[in-house]
Amino acid sequence: SQKIEQNSEALNIQEGKTATLTCNYTNYSPAYLQWYRQDPGRGPVFLLLIRENEKEKRKERLKVTFDTTLKQSLFHITASQPADSATYLCALDETSGTYKYIFGTGTRLKVLA
Amino acid sequence: DTAVSQTPKYLVTQMGNDKSIKCEQNLGHDTMYWYKQDSKKFLKIMFSYNNKELIINETVPNRFSPKSPDKAHLNLHINSLELGDSAVYFCASSPQIPGPSDGSQYFGPGTRLLVL
Repeated sequence: SQKIEQNSEALNIQEGKTATLTCNYTNYSPAYLQWYRQDPGRGPVFLLLIRENEKEKRKERLKVTFDTTLKQSLFHITASQPADSATYLCALDETSGTYKYIFGTGTRLKVLA
Repeated sequence: DTAVSQTPKYLVTQMGNDKSIKCEQNLGHDTMYWYKQDSKKFLKIMFSYNNKELIINETVPNRFSPKSPDKAHLNLHINSLELGDSAVYFCASSPQIPGPSDGSQYFGPGTRLLVL
């Protein structure tokens, strides 16, 4: 069956450290994978998109990797800050190039001051 | 200058009632979506429209009927509301093909529906 799993429901890290979140999928062949941030009571906000032929994408303190062999994406936040505390969701297109996005279960990140 | 807006923000209603949620985007996107986020925060796609045409219709009870009068609007009508319909409903839009720097999907603020 098709699944997207994110490493843990909650992750606590110390301010200044690098947070690493994992997104694993099975039985999908996505053309691209996306990461979103969701704060309580708000809609998800797009952060980064990475395509199947890209290994890595960066944006400021954020870095995403995409390994289609391992069927895994890693999302890193370097020099983490308490303001980075939120739920992070990965999403992929169910079938390459379709409009149907499947979201992971999310990881709740808490950065401790 | 809200990119994706939804109304109402909160909706409390009795079982059996019919209600509508409206969504508008001013981003010029071709594709719009409805998602449901349940109490466990799992976000699941319900419908997608591309240029007013229905392209995704997930396994959703036919009490839910989307309508897209133009490509900037996608409304959701729900008949005979049930307790299990209580959730947060998000509207989203995206360009037809995600670009390298496009925000792939832009979400509205959500409509919190509570069925009593």
